[in-house]
Amino acid sequence: EPEVTQTPSHQVTQMGQEVILRCVPISNHLYFYWYRQILGQKVEFLVSFYNNEISEKSEIFDDQFSVERPDGSNFTLKIRSTKLEDSAMYFCASSGEGLQYFGPGTRLTVT
Amino acid sequence: AQSVTQLDSQVPVFEEAPVELRCNYSSSVSVYLFWYVQYPNQGLQLLLKYLSGSTLVKGINGFEAEFNKSQTSFHLRKPSVHISDTAEYFCAVSGPTYDNDMRFGAGTRLTVKP
Repeated sequence: EPEVTQTPSHQVTQMGQEVILRCVPISNHLYFYWYRQILGQKVEFLVSFYNNEISEKSEIFDDQFSVERPDGSNFTLKIRSTKLEDSAMYFCASSGEGLQYFGPGTRLTVT
Repeated sequence: AQSVTQLDSQVPVFEEAPVELRCNYSSSVSVYLFWYVQYPNQGLQLLLKYLSGSTLVKGINGFEAEFNKSQTSFHLRKPSVHISDTAEYFCAVSGPTYDNDMRFGAGTRLTVKP
């Protein structure tokens, strides 16, 4: 069964550094998403992406964040100048046939 | 904007007892509803979904949910729980198309005791 994959599974970075979280969506899907889950809290929508551009974004997704589909298979989330409060689990998802399929997540720890 | 309210943050229950996890949604457009389960330190696993058709939806692991449009609810039920059902359960809504972003509830922590 096809699945969404994410790398790395755990990323530790120092405050102020830039990180790139990577996702490989399911190959025939056209819509891609990033969600965030701060420890012990609910899953929050960050951004959706379609046809090589952002289709919707939440108030969380400010100028610190950017997304890209650099090569037709990967879908990345870049966080510039990370802050302690960016520590969270980041989930990628892709959509097809009426369902969003979630990846296993990347746990980002900012120290 | 759509939103989801999960009315119980924690639900403790004894093994083999029935359980209901409550979910209410708010939306001005047609909706699609989902329940996900999250085991400790793991990702989100889809339990079941309502897209259209029958309002009673059956999912994996013996769970089912009923879409009630008049009460804007999508409660999750299981007639007899197991220790292994201990996890966090999230209700989510999207719409009016399949590809709209998903909004999650705050989650309900189900703890099954022996």
